[in-house]
Amino acid sequence: ILNVEQSPQSLHVQEGDSTNFTCSFPSSNFYALHWYRWETAKSPEALFVMTLNGDEKKKGRISATLNTKEGYSYLYIKGSQPEDSATYLCALNQAGTALIFGKGTTLSVSS
Amino acid sequence: EPEVTQTPSHQVTQMGQEVILRCVPISNHLYFYWYRQILGQKVEFLVSFYNNEISEKSEIFDDQFSVERPDGSNFTLKIRSTKLEDSAMYFCATLSGYTEAFFGQGTRLTVV
Repeated sequence: ILNVEQSPQSLHVQEGDSTNFTCSFPSSNFYALHWYRWETAKSPEALFVMTLNGDEKKKGRISATLNTKEGYSYLYIKGSQPEDSATYLCALNQAGTALIFGKGTTLSVSS
Repeated sequence: EPEVTQTPSHQVTQMGQEVILRCVPISNHLYFYWYRQILGQKVEFLVSFYNNEISEKSEIFDDQFSVERPDGSNFTLKIRSTKLEDSAMYFCATLSGYTEAFFGQGTRLTVV
């Protein structure tokens, strides 16, 4: 069974702090890496789907990078706001297999 | 825009009763997942399903749980004998293959 690891498991920051999380995955047969944001009592929303080594994507204050050779992706949040509080899930798509989700990083931002 | 539909939105059941949570995936999607979130806790993976069989399941997904596609369209999660600790939001997710996953709005299960 594939292992997608996310760290840290949880994180608490102050409003205005910048932060980042890591997603590690097996680099073989890589096809795509997904990031989702999941706020309590809402459906998860897709943030990014990345496929190329060295990909960097940005959405507002959130950005993500991808290294497929070493098997990791970073998600960055610049100037965290309370509304960024959520669980951030990454998921690996290998060629020919289903999407494998990590257990998530839960971010709490206090004002 | 295509969407994943979950029913019911809220289910209240007595402890020990069976419940069936339903998910209607987007029509050409092939991979299906169930997640849950107990109030105040983290999102937990339950099970993934592909080609009419379970492809992966977590330690939470014990013999009390089962999944199936009874009519080739709906994707169901059955809990045979509910416990108080099964109270949670249950989310279904589906995808076609190499695109982003689409999640339903969730079913809030309350076991009393």
